[in-house]
Amino acid sequence: DIQMTQSPSSMSASVGDRLTITCRASQSISTFLNWYQQKPGKAPNLLIYSASTLQGGVSSRFSASGSGTDFTLTINSLLPEDFATYYCEQSYRVPFTFGPGTKVDI
Amino acid sequence: QVQLVQSGGEVKKPGASVMVSCKASGYTFSNYAITWVRQAPGQGLEWVGWISPYNGHTDYAQSVQGRATMTTDTSTSTAYMELRSLRSDDTGVYYCARDPRIRGSGSYRADYWGLGTLVTVSS
Repeated sequence: DIQMTQSPSSMSASVGDRLTITCRASQSISTFLNWYQQKPGKAPNLLIYSASTLQGGVSSRFSASGSGTDFTLTINSLLPEDFATYYCEQSYRVPFTFGPGTKVDI
Repeated sequence: QVQLVQSGGEVKKPGASVMVSCKASGYTFSNYAITWVRQAPGQGLEWVGWISPYNGHTDYAQSVQGRATMTTDTSTSTAYMELRSLRSDDTGVYYCARDPRIRGSGSYRADYWGLGTLVTVSS
């Protein structure tokens, strides 16, 4: 199985900050990488797919890049509602696998 | 609008079976795969498996291989996940979600999610 890691595992930020989360795959996955946001007690919400394509309806404050094994998610001008846990997911090969998550405290 | 409505929470004893349903609406059910993801209490997300209603193809995670069966009923636009020989580490919230690729073309992702079904396995 393809292993996914994320860093940091948690972080504190302030409203207005620019935040970057890193995701790494154990082997090359081209651009088959998704990003989700999950708030406590809620289902995950798709933010980004194919490494850099913004899901419809998602704020343009979210952006992402990367290919191969290294990927980043960036959130510009952090808002209070961005308090959440963020997961990357590889969609290169089944079983699809998630990173362990990055918890963002505001 | 796309909606996925899941069945209610379940409490089961170890060794028992559970079936979770996921009723879809707002789109042509047979054209899009349904994926299942679970989350143990306080833990991260784990992909469990998926099924393609248009060809019946399934894949499962190793953790449930041989114990899980995913099916669909296109007449009612409902997906089902049965998990047998339940263990305590199967406890968690089970989500169904839609893969928006029409008949599997393009890059997989899960765009619409159900609210989740809590399955508790306890003696």
